[in-house]
Parts: sequence; C-alpha cells; structure tokens
Amino acid sequence: AQSVAQPEDQVNVAEGNPLTVKCTYSVSGNPYLFWYVQYPNRGLQFLLKYITGDNLVKGSYGFEAEFNKSQTSFHLKKPSALVSDSALYFCAVRDPENTDKLIFGTGTRLQVFP
Amino acid sequence: ETGVTQSPTHLIKTRGQQVTLRCSSQSGHNTVSWYQQALGQGPQFIFQYYREEENGRGNFPPRFSGLQFPNYSSELNVNALELDDSALYLCASSGPYGISNTGELFFGEGSRLTVL
Repeated sequence: AQSVAQPEDQVNVAEGNPLTVKCTYSVSGNPYLFWYVQYPNRGLQFLLKYITGDNLVKGSYGFEAEFNKSQTSFHLKKPSALVSDSALYFCAVRDPENTDKLIFGTGTRLQVFP
Repeated sequence: ETGVTQSPTHLIKTRGQQVTLRCSSQSGHNTVSWYQQALGQGPQFIFQYYREEENGRGNFPPRFSGLQFPNYSSELNVNALELDDSALYLCASSGPYGISNTGELFFGEGSRLTVL
C-alpha cells in the first residue's frame, strides 16, 4: 500500500537557524511528492512538488525539498527559519492508482522561536 | 481567479442527524475531491468527482455520499452521523489535466463539523 511517514510530531527551531522536516514514502513506481502547509483554522496551501528532474526542488516562501530515491525520502528544508513559518506541515504522495488523489502523512508541527 | 470556497465554516450536529457541506471549485477546475481531517491527523481521501461522476473513493462507508453539479460545484452528504465524524472536511479542486500536470490541489478552508 502507498504511504507517507512523518516521523516527528513536532520540530522546534530558533529563528534564523536552518530547519528540516522529515518525510519518507512508500509507493509503487515513480513517486509524485508534495509538501503542503496548514495555518491555524485554514485549509492547506501548496508549497512545492517533485515529479521528475532535479532532486532539489525549490518552492514557496524560501522552502526547498530534497528527493532521495535510495532513502525514499523527501525532506523539507529552509536555510533560515522565520517565526511566521510556524505551522503544520504535511508531506503527501500521489496515489498511482488514482492520479488526482493525494495520500498525506500525519503532519509535523513546526514551532519557530524568536 | 476565484479560489475554492466552502460552506458552512462551522456546524454542530447530533448523532444520527444528516449534514450537507458545499464547495465551489476554483474557476476552470472540473475535478473536486473531498478529504476528512480528524484532529491531529492528516487529511484522508473520501472521494473525487469529475464531470458529475464519482471518480475514485477512499475507505469511507456509503453513508458518505456526494454530488457534483454542471458548474463543477460539489456537495458532501453524511447520513446517520457518528461521533467519529467530527472533523474538518476539506474540499480541493484541480485543473483539467489534474495534479499530474499542475502538481497542485487547491484547497478550501474547510468546514468544521462537530457531532455531539
């Protein structure tokens, strides 16, 4: 079965420091991978995607993610965290059996401290 | 460009009642998906509609049903509500070539359902 794992419920980082939010996946075939962010009482906002090409993907708000096929990972990164980055982050993979369906991880709460 | 809009934003029901949630898709988007996000969980796929037909369904019982209208707006209906149906219900739309092309689902802000 296709799945996504986010091993950390919460990540704490000081403002200005680099951040990493981890994601691993299990999917048949070539993965289509996504990161979404959710602010309190809001829907999900798209950050970035990997479909093919360069393993380092750049997205919105200075975020980037590195696709690693051998480790089946797609970690979200940012060189310098902002307090305003504090939110809930979801990794997702496209279901190869339903190409408009996303399978989400359980989410990681990012807390950036001033 | 009009985004995805959902109504109502919040509602409270009691066990056994029925609820209808509504969604207007982003302009030009003909595919609408519904997701259930329970507290502390990631969104779970309920079903998807394309051109007024159900086009894929997740692991939800038949008391979860939906409709899509000619203008691509959609409804999610839940009958015989249970306490575990309490969640944020998210509607998402995607363009004519799907997320494989654009890589993005556009989400509404959700309808928060509380079942007492």
